[in-house]
Formats: sequence, C-alpha cells, structure tokens
Amino acid sequence: DAKTTQPTSMDCAEGRAANLPCNHSTISGNEYVYWYRQIHSQGPQYIIHGLKNNETNEMASLIITEDRKSSTLILPHATLRDTAVYYCIVRPPASGTYKYIFGTGTRLKVLA
Amino acid sequence: SAVISQKPSRDICQRGTSLTIQCQVDSQVTMMFWYRQQPGQSLTLIATANQGSEATYESGFVIDKFPISRPNLTFSTLTVSNMSPEDSSIYLCSVVVGAFETQYFGPGTRLLVL
Repeated sequence: DAKTTQPTSMDCAEGRAANLPCNHSTISGNEYVYWYRQIHSQGPQYIIHGLKNNETNEMASLIITEDRKSSTLILPHATLRDTAVYYCIVRPPASGTYKYIFGTGTRLKVLA
Repeated sequence: SAVISQKPSRDICQRGTSLTIQCQVDSQVTMMFWYRQQPGQSLTLIATANQGSEATYESGFVIDKFPISRPNLTFSTLTVSNMSPEDSSIYLCSVVVGAFETQYFGPGTRLLVL
C-alpha cells in the first residue's frame, strides 16, 4: 500500500500558484519524498524529490515540514498544460529494491 | 535522465491473441520495470526485468501471462498473452537512473482488447 495520502482533486486558476499537499505521517528517517505527474495518456514525469530541506527546480518547489510528516508541491504559476494527476511517493533512495508504490494521486485541473 | 521509447504506442487486439511490447532506452541501465495502468486507476508494478536473469514478478502477475525478455542493457519486451478484455490497459516501462534511483517512464502502450 502507498504510504501517502493526497486529496483526490483540486482546481487552480491559470497563472496562480498551485499548492498540492501530501501527508506521509509514517515516513522513516531515510525516506525521500518524490513527486511525479501524469498528463493524460502519457507516462509519468519526474518533477522533484527531497529529504528534509526545501527544494526548487525549474518545474516546481517542494516544501517539507520540519517533522517531515507532510509536504507541499508548489507550481508557482500554473498553466493549462499543468493539468495532470500528481503523485507523491515516499521511498528510501539506494534501497536496492527500486520499487515505487503509486497511490491514487491528486487530479489537478488548471482553469482558464 | 533517460529517454525511453515504446512500440507500439497503441493497439487493438482480439481476445485470445498475444501482443509483444518493446521498450528501448537511450543508455545502458541495470533494471527495467513494467507497469500496468488500468482505466482510471493508478500504476501497478508487474515485474522487474534484470539483464541476464529471470524477471521478478509482483504478487498477482505470472510469467505465463506476462513473459518478459531482457536481452541487453538497453532493451526489454513484455508480452501480454492470451488476452482478454480485462487486459485493456496502458502498459509502461521504466528505468532507474542515478544515486537517488529516480525513475523515468516511457510514453506507454495503450492496449484495447475486444
């Protein structure tokens, strides 16, 4: 079973920041938080990952709470092309199992 | 990162037939993975494909139904055998790259079984 819970769906106005929450209250000390998204009928796309510090790249920012029990993915200026299902996954890196367990994700709809 | 291609991109098949899906990566990778995504559902791992050894299947998936080949470090195939309409899904291959084992996915193969 997935170790994360996410809201089923969210709407966001185009040009505004999209804040996607993820709860991972049972996360272990060595587990990272990974975010992926899946645009309709395409393969999932890697977005970002982090351990405990906030991370930012060209696609998004990842904010992890101090107790690491939850995180938020931020798309700073959402566009219509950001409409997708967003998956939050926790797993240890270099675990040797390479296994990713996908939950149901959050269906983000960006509105014009 | 890794660039992954899959063939075919989509197919419509008759029940009882088999379809082989190809996955090609632009670099050598140790492990490749095959996932299934049924309509409206999340991704489910079918098996891990290691070069030079038997694939490792997840619970609920068996080799007779989903035989996998991994002849080299850049290529793998998944066969969906004796298909039924319940096999209608998107089938995705993926690879792991880098120290953080970031997973990269192919574009998927959309299969419809009539």
